[in-house]
Amino acid sequence: AQSVTQLDSQVPVFEEAPVELRCNYSSSVSVYLFWYVQYPNQGLQLLLKYLSGSTLVKGINGFEAEFNKSQTSFHLRKPSVHISDTAEYFCAVIRGSQGNLIFGKGTKLSVKP
Amino acid sequence: ETGVTQSPTHLIKTRGQQVTLRCSSQSGHNTVSWYQQALGQGPQFIFQYYREEENGRGNFPPRFSGLQFPNYSSELNVNALELDDSALYLCASSPLAGGYNEQFFGPGTRLTVL
Repeated sequence: AQSVTQLDSQVPVFEEAPVELRCNYSSSVSVYLFWYVQYPNQGLQLLLKYLSGSTLVKGINGFEAEFNKSQTSFHLRKPSVHISDTAEYFCAVIRGSQGNLIFGKGTKLSVKP
Repeated sequence: ETGVTQSPTHLIKTRGQQVTLRCSSQSGHNTVSWYQQALGQGPQFIFQYYREEENGRGNFPPRFSGLQFPNYSSELNVNALELDDSALYLCASSPLAGGYNEQFFGPGTRLTVL
């Protein structure tokens, strides 16, 4: 069975500092991996995805993630965060032929001035 | 291009009641998936509809049911509401079912069960 673990429930960081949000997955088969962002009182927006190919994936808003098969990780990074990046971030994996997403519990990123 | 829309935005019900949530898929999308996001949790897959047929279901009891209409809009029905049903319900549409197809999420309906 596939599952996703987000190692930090909350990450406080100062504006313009770098940030890494950690995600580990478990799967015995090839995976498709995603990061979504959820701003307060809104739905989910896709930040980036890994389907195949290059292990470094670039997304919107300056975020990137690296797929590491040996460590079964897909950590999200941004070199310099802004106040507007304050949101909850979810790592997800596609399950099976239906294509439904399995989400981690989320990491709340709080960017302080 | 119109994105995924959901109605209502908020809803308050009491235990034992029934509720219907609605979702309009993005233009050109024939697949709709529903997710439940409890407070402090990630979304959990309820079920998916593809061309008006259920195409997969998560670990939810039968009192959670759905429909998809010929225009690919969808409803989620929950009978005999329980307090634990309080959550944000998210609808997502995609152009096809199966494998990888990017899912586009609506803003959600927040259901409170008292």
